[in-house]
Amino acid sequence: SYELTQAPSLSVSPGQTAYITCSGDKLGDKYASWYQQKPGQSPVLVMYQNSKRPSGIPERFSGSNSENTATLTISGTQPMDEADYYCQAWDSSTVTFGGGTKLTV
Amino acid sequence: EVQLVESGGGLVQPGRSLRLSCTTSGFTFADSSVGWVRQAPGKGLEWVGFIRSKSYGGATQYAASVQGRFTISGDVSETIAYLQMSSLRTEDTAVYYCTRIGGEDGGSYLSYFDSWGQGTLVTVSS
Repeated sequence: SYELTQAPSLSVSPGQTAYITCSGDKLGDKYASWYQQKPGQSPVLVMYQNSKRPSGIPERFSGSNSENTATLTISGTQPMDEADYYCQAWDSSTVTFGGGTKLTV
Repeated sequence: EVQLVESGGGLVQPGRSLRLSCTTSGFTFADSSVGWVRQAPGKGLEWVGFIRSKSYGGATQYAASVQGRFTISGDVSETIAYLQMSSLRTEDTAVYYCTRIGGEDGGSYLSYFDSWGQGTLVTVSS
């Protein structure tokens, strides 16, 4: 089965740029999506098809995907961005989520 | 506004069955694929399965961990998706989320989970 690997945690200061990475075999050949989940809440889609932002997601969120790594970048990170972030990709009609990265701001 | 509301969770003994419902509104159910994702207490997200829209034949796909035990179906007239769970195990304990699948291919490389319900807790314990 396909696997996606994320660092368990990341800490940044307010205003800094957060780079949240997701690694998988030839992930760059697939499309990565990203979800934000705050405590006690349902996940929210923040990036899809590598670099597309859903309506309502701030411009400080951006995404990229190349070779074996997809990256969710949060520029000018704000305290409200503190959350768990999960990457996700499809492989042969099955879905894989990364283990999640807890972002502390 | 897209809405998905799960119901049917609760406490169930190992080996028993339970059916979850996902009542949807705000989008054309017949033209949408719907997925289920679960999250064990304190753990990450785990994909359970999905059902393709009628446009894509209504086929279903499941994670290996639930294959043969869980069945997803949809009632187009009522715009409700179901997750029938049988032979439940303690490791099936989780919050179960219903999701709408966006994207151009109805559940494949281009797809993503663009709307989520609030989740319903299933506890499997004796």
